[in-house]
Amino acid sequence: DADVTQTPRNRITKTGKRIMLECSQTKGHDRMYWYRQDPGLGLRLIYYSFDVKDINKGEISDGYSVSRQAQAKFSLSLESAIPNQTALYFCATSDLQGDQETQYFGPGTRLLVL
Amino acid sequence: GQNIDQPTEMTATEGAIVQINCTYQTSGFNGLFWYQQHAGEAPTFLSYNVLDGLEEKGRFSSFLSRSKGYSYLLLKELQMKDSASYLCAVMDSNYQLIWGAGTKLIIKP
Repeated sequence: DADVTQTPRNRITKTGKRIMLECSQTKGHDRMYWYRQDPGLGLRLIYYSFDVKDINKGEISDGYSVSRQAQAKFSLSLESAIPNQTALYFCATSDLQGDQETQYFGPGTRLLVL
Repeated sequence: GQNIDQPTEMTATEGAIVQINCTYQTSGFNGLFWYQQHAGEAPTFLSYNVLDGLEEKGRFSSFLSRSKGYSYLLLKELQMKDSASYLCAVMDSNYQLIWGAGTKLIIKP
């Protein structure tokens, strides 16, 4: 079984709709992240959480919100989807071993906003 | 601002060696990562450098020069399955990963 899972894997929605992307992990990591990836651009951080009570905005948080329901679950919501939120969304987890923090990614959710 | 630069695309021949360069300008430095990403899939961890020098891991090696803000990923004995994008990322002083746009590597027979 995959350590980091995302649902749904693909989603088509209309402008103005509210949608939620979910992420679950069995790695036991405290740190979780949401990124979006667009063609020709690097991964951009939307939100991150270092534990259940900690939520932080990333580089491009406008138009998004998150919820850390448990150590293993971190969901991303688009309150009112717009076409420029069409992208590939990745959830990631990480742990800190010594001075190295490696991120492990879920399979991604491909979102199309019409 | 923070910036990671790497070539957009490279082409190499099966069995050959290819070097993918990455230059960075970031607010602080807490390590440099290389990830591999096949089309439509998740990035997967390849290597980590925090000290200057060369780290070797099988067919893949990664080099870092902190004074020059420079790293490269060296892939030897190229195989067709190495066709992928290679992402360079730097952890800044706030322990945030700053990502390059990735280098698409095309392997030809």
